[in-house]
Amino acid sequence: DAKTTQPNSMESNEEEPVHLPCNHSTISGTDYIHWYRQLPSQGPEYVIHGLTSNVNNRMASLAIAEDRKSSTLILHRATLRDAAVYYCILRSSSNTGKLIFGQGTTLQVKP
Amino acid sequence: DTGVSQNPRHKITKRGQNVTFRCDPISEHNRLYWYRQTLGQGPEFLTYFQNEAQLEKSRLLSDRFSAERPKGSFSTLEIQRTEQGDSAMYLCASSLLVANTGELFFGEGSRLTVL
Repeated sequence: DAKTTQPNSMESNEEEPVHLPCNHSTISGTDYIHWYRQLPSQGPEYVIHGLTSNVNNRMASLAIAEDRKSSTLILHRATLRDAAVYYCILRSSSNTGKLIFGQGTTLQVKP
Repeated sequence: DTGVSQNPRHKITKRGQNVTFRCDPISEHNRLYWYRQTLGQGPEFLTYFQNEAQLEKSRLLSDRFSAERPKGSFSTLEIQRTEQGDSAMYLCASSLLVANTGELFFGEGSRLTVL
């Protein structure tokens, strides 16, 4: 499975946008970019995924670089409830569907 | 829809004892996954079922670990002769059989402490 690289931690102020970067320079053509987050004392939860085009949903936006070697998860207005560990994961369309997690980015949101 | 349910939520045991965790996936989800997570680390894949068939096992799953999904519904993860290194959160997830976009739904986990 191709690897992703994320900063260990980031800080944000409440109600400001947050841009969480992810590098995946060895991504292959069949790899989808998935983001999950894990709130304290909970299991991970799905946030968003994409292949080539930028994606928006009610939780976040995903901006994918033209060469697909990097992506950015965008939280438009951070709230205290968004404090979590955010995982960027490459998921091949040909595999079993399992997710291989890295260490993720711990996001702190300051009031 | 009650989501993925895991029991027990917490288990404290003495070294050498056997423990069993149960996972009830979302109904009609044919895929079921087990993960282990230690403090400060991301979840590590252990094993995966498609219906009742166990199709993949990680090298992390030593001989002391066994998982079953007898009727393709709930699953159990048993750890025999527990060791202190087994202390972790054990997470279960389920999904529909969708190749690339299927979202994994995780339970809240079962926390094991081995004394």
